[in-house]
Amino acid sequence: QKEVEQNSGPLSVPEGAIASLNCTYSDRGSQSFFWYRQYSGKSPELIMSIYSNGDKEDGRFTAQLNKASQYVSLLIRDSQPSDSATYLCAVKGTSGYSTLTFGKGTMLLVSP
Amino acid sequence: NAGVTQTPKFQVLKTGQSMTLQCAQDMNHNSMYWYRQDPGMGLRLIYYSASEGTTDKGEVPNGYNVSRLNKREFSLRLESAAPSQTSVYFCASSESGQGASGANVLTFGAGSRLTVL
Repeated sequence: QKEVEQNSGPLSVPEGAIASLNCTYSDRGSQSFFWYRQYSGKSPELIMSIYSNGDKEDGRFTAQLNKASQYVSLLIRDSQPSDSATYLCAVKGTSGYSTLTFGKGTMLLVSP
Repeated sequence: NAGVTQTPKFQVLKTGQSMTLQCAQDMNHNSMYWYRQDPGMGLRLIYYSASEGTTDKGEVPNGYNVSRLNKREFSLRLESAAPSQTSVYFCASSESGQGASGANVLTFGAGSRLTVL
């Protein structure tokens, strides 16, 4: 059973701070990693994808991947109240046709 | 550009009733998926269709059936609804599920909230 683990939170940070969201996964051969954001009552939307070890930056968002430690994280710089949402980590399995396995999500609350 | 469209948005059923959730995408994606989302459980895959003409079970298929009607449409049917099927259902599509690249990027519909009494 492939597992993707996230701290459910809520993670509370003040406006302007860095929010750090973490995710671990069990399938050592996993190749693709995604972060989705889900506002309350809405559907998930993709914010970042990462496939190689290291960091990937997109605006205020940085995804970090460490395959040896089976760990992927999302950093949000200069957090805004509009970043308050649940962040879902998703991992694609190893080979052939493989679907995404989602973590249960971390709720982020950014206070003004 | 509508993306992924799900109907209905809300539905209340009595135990034992049947219903079909409809999903259509206009992005020419090959793969389509049905997920359910429950508090504290995250998104769980019910069924998926890797390409037109194929369907496969996901993590929680019991009590559901699916039909990939054509490349655009993928429906989810509850033959005899149970209170345990009360959930929010999301349809999603992706260009393809093959390979390690962004081909697995999912686009989600707005969701269908189902209550079974």
